[in-house]
Amino acid sequence: QITLKESGPTLVKPTQTLTLTCTFSGFSLTTSGVGVAWIRQPPGKALEWLALVYWNNDRRYSPSLQTRLTITKDTSRNQVVLTMTNLDPADTATYYCVYRPPLSVAGPGIEYFQDWGQGTLVTVSS
Amino acid sequence: EILLTQSPATLSVSPGERATLSCRASQSVDSKLAWYQQKPGQAPRLLIYDASTRATGVPARFSGSGSGTEFTLTVSSLQSEDFAVYYCQQYRNWPPFTFGPGTKVDIK
Repeated sequence: QITLKESGPTLVKPTQTLTLTCTFSGFSLTTSGVGVAWIRQPPGKALEWLALVYWNNDRRYSPSLQTRLTITKDTSRNQVVLTMTNLDPADTATYYCVYRPPLSVAGPGIEYFQDWGQGTLVTVSS
Repeated sequence: EILLTQSPATLSVSPGERATLSCRASQSVDSKLAWYQQKPGQAPRLLIYDASTRATGVPARFSGSGSGTEFTLTVSSLQSEDFAVYYCQQYRNWPPFTFGPGTKVDIK
């Protein structure tokens, strides 16, 4: 059974840096094709993809946010960390950690998000 | 960046009726489109990928069709647990992966 859980601060001040941790189980980030991504959702709004890290440490970012984002993985601890700098109230959202299945399930270029964490609401306010 | 539009924004349907949701892409995404369902207070759930392949455990009443720029998600007979918001997502050209604005299916 695959599980993902997000953790981090619930309230951040403008201009500060946000660090979110995704702790997962049921899969390994060393398996070919596996990826973990971050997706956010402002209250009452649609989903926005932020970043993705693959098993081989290939990292991809949303072009509109890439200067503010860093995604890293720690395979020994089964964790993925997202850092976002220079927070703004517009960054208030629920942040989800999501699983991209291995190549044996989803071949190259088949980039859907199979499993999702419960999400964590981050509010940016002074 | 590929833009996705979804219509209608809200669909009012009676239980047992058929629901048809549309997703349109600003340029061809071939069949590289997924559908997700999100209930209030919950994370999204993958329903369909590659435009028409049901994810594991998804009931057969959910079906997806289309290719290129026009896609449809059909729920053949709506159950009470199907009232939710539905999002499409493209993975043809990325980054970024993009999502549509969603269609809310509510009870008529």
